[in-house]
Amino acid sequence: LAKTTQPISMDSYEGQEVNITCSHNNIATNDYITWYQQFPSQGPRFIIQGYKTKVTNEVASLFIPADRKSSTLSLPRVSLSDTAVYYCLVVLWGSSNTGKLIFGQGTTLQVKP
Amino acid sequence: DAGVIQSPRHEVTEMGQEVTLRCKPISGHDYLFWYRQTMMRGLELLIYFNNNVPIDDSGMPEDRFSAKMPNASFSTLKIQPSEPRDSAVYFCATSERDQLSGANVLTFGAGSRLTVL
Repeated sequence: LAKTTQPISMDSYEGQEVNITCSHNNIATNDYITWYQQFPSQGPRFIIQGYKTKVTNEVASLFIPADRKSSTLSLPRVSLSDTAVYYCLVVLWGSSNTGKLIFGQGTTLQVKP
Repeated sequence: DAGVIQSPRHEVTEMGQEVTLRCKPISGHDYLFWYRQTMMRGLELLIYFNNNVPIDDSGMPEDRFSAKMPNASFSTLKIQPSEPRDSAVYFCATSERDQLSGANVLTFGAGSRLTVL
């Protein structure tokens, strides 16, 4: 069963690059990895999604190695407003072939001035 | 589109009362998910629907919880009777893909913060 593991928390300073790695050892062959960001008192919001290699958008980059057992979210030059909880998400498949979108415990990123 | 709309945003009730949370999904989104978030347990998937049909309700904590989706435009999550341990933020999220996979992108509502005294 696919399950995600992330660091509980990370600290950084403004202007630095932040890399958050998520382990998903049992990800299904055809499944994607998706990352979300959550601010206090808001629902999670989509950041980036990928299947393999590297994906980049205006917000972040996502690096996925060939074995796809992990992924790394890269936030370039963070600012104070990037302080949030970051989740990686994969599908958890059950014995009945029913999938569930399960969030891990998330990584709380604190950006300091 | 106004996004996923949840109501009420805040609810304070007393133990034993019935609570009904509502969600209006984004038009055309085939999947609807109910999540609960607490400090202790994080984001928990309670139940999800595909084309108005419940697919997996294994996350529903007890028989006191029930969820319905009578049509493509509306879903409810009901707690009867409510207990203090049900206090949490309840999120509704929807996705437009026709199959469940990691490629599904969830759009969340603003959440309903429930406090049971």
